[in-house]
Amino acid sequence: QKEVEQDPGPLSVPEGAIVSLNCTYSNSAFQYFMWYRQYSRKGPELLMYTYSSGNKEDGRFTAQVDKSSKYISLFIRDSQPSDSATYLCAMSTGNQFYFGTGTSLTVIP
Amino acid sequence: GAVVSQHPSRVICKSGTSVKIECRSLDFQATTMFWYRQFPKQSLMLMATSNEGSKATYEQGVEKDKFLINHASLTLSTLTVTSAHPEDSSFYICSARIAAVREQYFGPGTRLTVT
Repeated sequence: QKEVEQDPGPLSVPEGAIVSLNCTYSNSAFQYFMWYRQYSRKGPELLMYTYSSGNKEDGRFTAQVDKSSKYISLFIRDSQPSDSATYLCAMSTGNQFYFGTGTSLTVIP
Repeated sequence: GAVVSQHPSRVICKSGTSVKIECRSLDFQATTMFWYRQFPKQSLMLMATSNEGSKATYEQGVEKDKFLINHASLTLSTLTVTSAHPEDSSFYICSARIAAVREQYFGPGTRLTVT
């Protein structure tokens, strides 16, 4: 079983839709949770970072962590074509990092 | 803040030659830097972790004599691909981490093509 599971998609939504991206994990030692956005042929860009269960909001993005279910989500409201990218979840025990395989998102104008 | 640069962004080299890729943290001191490899439409594959002033820790299956990593200062790490072969062609990405925080900041990546 992989440490982190992420549906690779691809996911295609119309502009303005709410997007939900998810990852599950098996290691209860994970304490830090991150979401990265990666455009084609570019390095990943940190979007959200949290270390506790609950929600964290930043503009159109909301990161949700449920440690009891070992499940994290990223919600994108009012999705825009510029949100089209691959989204990677990442988790850390503090020393070791584990990345999901990434979900490819396309927002259609 | 937390900007990481990589140089070059793209390099083409002939089989058998060596290529050096630089990773710099521009506005912070990175106690730890990571080197990743990424194939098209695949996720990041961690190659090695380097701490300033000490030897890099390589992931299983990564040849340390082929992928030389030097973390000479708190703002610079280099990856040298020695005796490159076409199968080494890939997208190489570095990231850096500040000691007090947990997240990693990534560079823009270097696309290596070995002909």
